[in-house]
Amino acid sequence: RKEVEQDPGPFNVPEGATVAFNCTYSNSASQSFFWYRQDCRKEPKLLMSVYSSGNEDGRFTAQLNRASQYISLLIRDSKLSDSATYLCVVNDAGNMLTFGGGTRLMVKP
Amino acid sequence: NAGVTQTPKFQVLKTGQSMTLQCAQDMNHNSMYWYRQDPGMGLRLIYYSASEGTTDKGEVPNGYNVSRLNKREFSLRLESAAPSQTSVYFCAIRFTLTDSPLHFGNGTRLTVT
Repeated sequence: RKEVEQDPGPFNVPEGATVAFNCTYSNSASQSFFWYRQDCRKEPKLLMSVYSSGNEDGRFTAQLNRASQYISLLIRDSKLSDSATYLCVVNDAGNMLTFGGGTRLMVKP
Repeated sequence: NAGVTQTPKFQVLKTGQSMTLQCAQDMNHNSMYWYRQDPGMGLRLIYYSASEGTTDKGEVPNGYNVSRLNKREFSLRLESAAPSQTSVYFCAIRFTLTDSPLHFGNGTRLTVT
């Protein structure tokens, strides 16, 4: 079983739709969590950190469920420019961060 | 990716050749990382350096060596390149606190023929 798992997708959604991705992690001692966005042939860029109480940044909302060991990302009012691969990252301990395989999102006109 | 510079951007090697990938940062972060990204495999950690003078193996260190030359620079060396090392290599930095995120360089696309 992979330490950090994501549905690879692709998720094909129309503009304006709401879409949600989940990411499960296996280490219950994981300490911090992040969502990254990666465009084709580019480096990953931080989208948002995930806080225990959940957090929102504009159209993006991140949640953490420690009991079930998953984090989620909700995108409201999808834009064409949201098309990308979304990576979840988990910090297990110290300096080790583990990436999920990524979920591909395609927003269509 | 302000503050993290990787060179070269592209490289083609023949099997058995050696090369060094360079990474430099100007954000004064303590921790530096080397990842490789392959289709269907996601990002995998090769080596990291928690602070100047220390290096540790990650998930896939075989075939690579690293040097943390100073706080700014962290290089990745392939002594004898193999086709299995064809990949995109990313350097990343981190402030050190466990709740701080990674910041990535632009990446190096390496092809080994």
